[in-house]
Amino acid sequence: ETGVTQSPTHLIKTRGQQVTLRCSSQSGHNTVSWYQQALGQGPQFIFQYYREEENGRGNFPPRFSGLQFPNYSSELNVNALELDDSALYLCASSLGASGGVYEQFFGPGTRLTVL
Amino acid sequence: DQQVKQNSPSLSVQEGRISILNCDYTNSMFDYFLWYKKYPAEGPTFLISISSIKDKNEDGRFTVFLNKSAKHLSLHIVPSQPGDSAVYFCAASQIQGAQKLVFGQGTRLTINP
Repeated sequence: ETGVTQSPTHLIKTRGQQVTLRCSSQSGHNTVSWYQQALGQGPQFIFQYYREEENGRGNFPPRFSGLQFPNYSSELNVNALELDDSALYLCASSLGASGGVYEQFFGPGTRLTVL
Repeated sequence: DQQVKQNSPSLSVQEGRISILNCDYTNSMFDYFLWYKKYPAEGPTFLISISSIKDKNEDGRFTVFLNKSAKHLSLHIVPSQPGDSAVYFCAASQIQGAQKLVFGQGTRLTINP
């Protein structure tokens, strides 16, 4: 069974650029959540996708957007990058979306540095 | 607005002793609580959880205690082992709705031989 994978591992961008991060969910999982972890902080929920639809969003501006594909893999897109976007971006997959508790399995993350 | 707080950034414990990690929350709508462990260059891995209908859950060396009136939970690790050295995150969520996890800032646990 393949776990959650993310690409790329590291990325360096400059202010104003756009970035796309990718996540492959664990086999059989239909829900993907994205989190941002700034240095010295805990992960913060960005949004969640369930069966290709956004299913909840945290306190992040619209320049953070996402997609989930029919195979349940996902992308996180960030436009107009700012210095404060520098962080570890974590993807987590799980089975099911609401009305229950489902363990979320995290990938190793993508470290984004904005210069 | 930090809804989940871990007030100890770090904790050092001798091997074989008990490690106690603490977490406080402010949102009374949270009804499910989890602990995750994170090693460098890896994603967080699930350790143990507890729902608000219980006050204790045990899994091997790990026990989580929940005090709803104080809005406080703790993770006990007994006995502590060198492999337990990692950053521990407390997280909270609501069973209904999206599985949004709200994390604390983390506590770095170091187990000394």
